[in-house]
Amino acid sequence: TQLLEQSPQFLSIQEGENLTVYCNSSSVFSSLQWYRQEPGEGPVLLVTVVTGGEVKKLKRLTFQFGDARKDSSLHITAAQPGDTGLYLCAGARRSNDYKLSFGAGTTVTVRA
Amino acid sequence: GAVVSQHPSRVICKSGTSVKIECRSLDFQATTMFWYRQFPKKSLMLMATSNEGSKATYEQGVEKDKFLINHASLTLSTLTVTSAHPEDSSFYICSARDWGGARENTIYFGEGSWLTVV
Repeated sequence: TQLLEQSPQFLSIQEGENLTVYCNSSSVFSSLQWYRQEPGEGPVLLVTVVTGGEVKKLKRLTFQFGDARKDSSLHITAAQPGDTGLYLCAGARRSNDYKLSFGAGTTVTVRA
Repeated sequence: GAVVSQHPSRVICKSGTSVKIECRSLDFQATTMFWYRQFPKKSLMLMATSNEGSKATYEQGVEKDKFLINHASLTLSTLTVTSAHPEDSSFYICSARDWGGARENTIYFGEGSWLTVV
């Protein structure tokens, strides 16, 4: 079983629709990062959240860190085809020397 | 922002030979780098943690004699796949930890290296 449960695994939506990806755990994280990865490339960092209850916005993307620092969500407003990709959440814990534990990933496809 | 560079991006080698992949942090010093392996449409699997000036620590199930890691400087870690076999073909990704400034223990990833063993 993975430390971080990411859902849904696949998401296909029409351009202009909204979507939310969830990342849940029973463990507390020091920080949580969201990445977006395109085929054949390395993950690109979108955001790092470190404070419980924190909300960060990056243009049409909104990231939230749960109050207990066990869960996070990524919300995309008015999705565009350029948002297509694999979205990965990853959490770091001091007890694990801050190594990243990854969720299984969410493959997002935005149809034009 | 911080950049991590990986080289080569693609490599093909013959079965039984060894191949080296380099990971460099370009604008920060990284005492810790990580090596991952990724299968198609799957998440990243941590193979080992590379520590500058000391031995790498390997995750359970990863053969340290097959995947040699050297972290000789604060900006360079190398992964050498020894006696490569076709089942070693995969996408290998490195990352580097930036402890500095306001980056709050951010980890940046390289572009990845496709290894094909024929």
